[in-house]
This record gives sequence, C-alpha cells and structure tokens, in this order.
Amino acid sequence: QITLKESGPALVKPTQTLTLTCTLSGLSLSSNGVQVGWIRQPPEKAPEWLALIYWDDQKRYRPALKNRLTITQDRSKNQVVLTMTNMAPVDTGTYFCAHSTVASRGGIDHWGPGTRVTVSS
Amino acid sequence: ENVLTQSPGTLSLSPGEGATLSCRASQTVPGNYLHWYQQKPGQAPRLLIYGASTRATGIPDRFRGSGSGTYFTLTIRRLEPEDFAVYFCQQSGSSPTFGQGTKLDI
Repeated sequence: QITLKESGPALVKPTQTLTLTCTLSGLSLSSNGVQVGWIRQPPEKAPEWLALIYWDDQKRYRPALKNRLTITQDRSKNQVVLTMTNMAPVDTGTYFCAHSTVASRGGIDHWGPGTRVTVSS
Repeated sequence: ENVLTQSPGTLSLSPGEGATLSCRASQTVPGNYLHWYQQKPGQAPRLLIYGASTRATGIPDRFRGSGSGTYFTLTIRRLEPEDFAVYFCQQSGSSPTFGQGTKLDI
C-alpha cells in the first residue's frame, strides 16, 4: 500500500523560504517509472502543479515559479523535498505531495493528505 | 501554457440522473495525457480517469471518460449521493495544468 505524508511549517513569513518534506512508504523512489511531485491548492481554488521529480532524477518545474522552486529526493530516507523561496501571501494554500507513474500517463494515483501553509507576517 | 476550461461551472442534478462534464484544452493534449479527479471538502483529489478513458483502480463503471485532442468529457451515469463533489480535469504534458473545476450539486 502506497502512502505519502507531507510535513513542514504551517506558518511562514513573507520573504522566507518554505521547505516541505514528503515521506513515502510502500514504494521505492528508484523504481522505474515512479514520479513524485508537489501540487498546491489555494483556498477555494483549483489545484496548481508545482514540480515533479522522476525515478531517474529528472526534474520539471512550473514555468512561472521555476526560479523559486527546487525539488530533490533522498532515496535513503524515501523522501522528496520541495523548497520555495521568497514566499508571499499569495502562496498560501494546501500543499500536496503526489505520486504518479509512466503507466498512469502522469495521472496522480496517490496523494498525501496535504499540509496547510499560511504566509503572513 | 495549456489552459483547461471546464464547463459548466456548476451542475445541479439529482441522484439517479446522469451528468456530463466537459474539459476543453487550449492546445492539443499529447498522447491523451488527460485525467479526471473528484474532490470532496477537506480531502485530496481522487483519480477517477487517466489517459482520457481508463478508469483508475476501484472506480465504478458509472464513470466514463472520453475525448481526444482538445476536447474531453467525463460522464457519470446514475448519480449516487457520494458523487456530489467538485471535479477537475488535468493534463500532464510538458507543463501540467488543471482546469478550474465543475461543482456537481444536489
């Protein structure tokens, strides 16, 4: 059974850097075809895709946020980490860790429960 | 950016009825990398359909996805009370995007 769990601060101040960790169980990050990404959802709005890391360590980023985002993986801990610099109030929302595969054509078949992040001074 | 526009914004129906939700892309979705999700309040989205027409594990056959290119639909037959939720489409091309959602209301 695949599970994902996000962890990180609930509150960050404007201009600070947000660091979120996704801990995965039931799968290996090095398994062929595995993709793990981050998606955020502002309150009462649609989800927004942020970043994706592949089993072979390729990475993709949302073009508009590319300069602020970094996604990395720690295979020894089975974790994926997202950092987002220069946080602003518009970055407030729920951040989800998400698993997809080549077989699902990138459809996200497992989601973490989400972690709520508020950006406020 | 491949913008996905969903219609209608809200769909008011009753249990037992059928629903058709649409998702139109501003650019061709390569390889039909188009997916549908259901989201209930306070929960993460749940994958219903991937690759435009393949039901995800455990999804009942009342849910059917179709379409190609730039126009896709999600059809739900015989609505059950638990189907009333928000539905999003998503394309997973080079820069994934989500539609703005359709709220299925009782």
